Amino acid sequence: GDSVTQMEGPVTLSEEAFLTINCTYTATGYPSLFWYVQYPGEGLQLLLKATKADDKGSNKGFEATYRKETTSFHLEKGSVQVSDSAVYFCALSDRYDYKLSFGAGTTVTVRA
Amino acid sequence: GAGVSQSPSNKVTEKGKDVELRCDPISGHTALYWYRQSLGQGLEFLIYFQGNSAPDKSGLPSDRFSAERTGGSVSTLTIQRTQQEDSAVYLCASSLAFGGETQYFGPGTRLLVL
Repeated sequence: GDSVTQMEGPVTLSEEAFLTINCTYTATGYPSLFWYVQYPGEGLQLLLKATKADDKGSNKGFEATYRKETTSFHLEKGSVQVSDSAVYFCALSDRYDYKLSFGAGTTVTVRA
Repeated sequence: GAGVSQSPSNKVTEKGKDVELRCDPISGHTALYWYRQSLGQGLEFLIYFQGNSAPDKSGLPSDRFSAERTGGSVSTLTIQRTQQEDSAVYLCASSLAFGGETQYFGPGTRLLVL
């Protein structure tokens, strides 16, 4: 079945540092790929998405590129802020499936 | 516009009691999903609805769990004879259709079974 593997945390960074969270996937079809974010005390929010190979999703300074050749969708941000402290989830949904398959989540803490 | 809403936001119950969790999806979204988020298991898919129909119930953890959706809108997740291991955050999401579409999540219901 479909699955997502993302790097384990927790990750602790200083403000303005570069953030990368690795995500790889296994899917039999042609999945859409997502990054969701969960800020402290809040629900899951869509951060960005990509629906086909080589697409780049971007939002709030975060970017991720759908790499079919390496089955990856790594999340990057060039300069993090304290407000980026959250749990980040990589997920996929196959067009022939109905559920989101999530990675385990990566907790990111940004210190001033 | 209004997002996905869930009620109650928090529920504390005693072991053995039944609980009902409600989800109100985004208007016009035909697909509705239930997930569970717990410390040990991460985010688990439970069940989805396309309209009022739930074609696959295999994600439900036991026969104590059931869900229904009426009028293609509101959904209720019922847990009978609750157990302590049912303690988790129950998340509802909706999407325009299923199969690769973006799912929008509600704030969740935090269930604590004492």
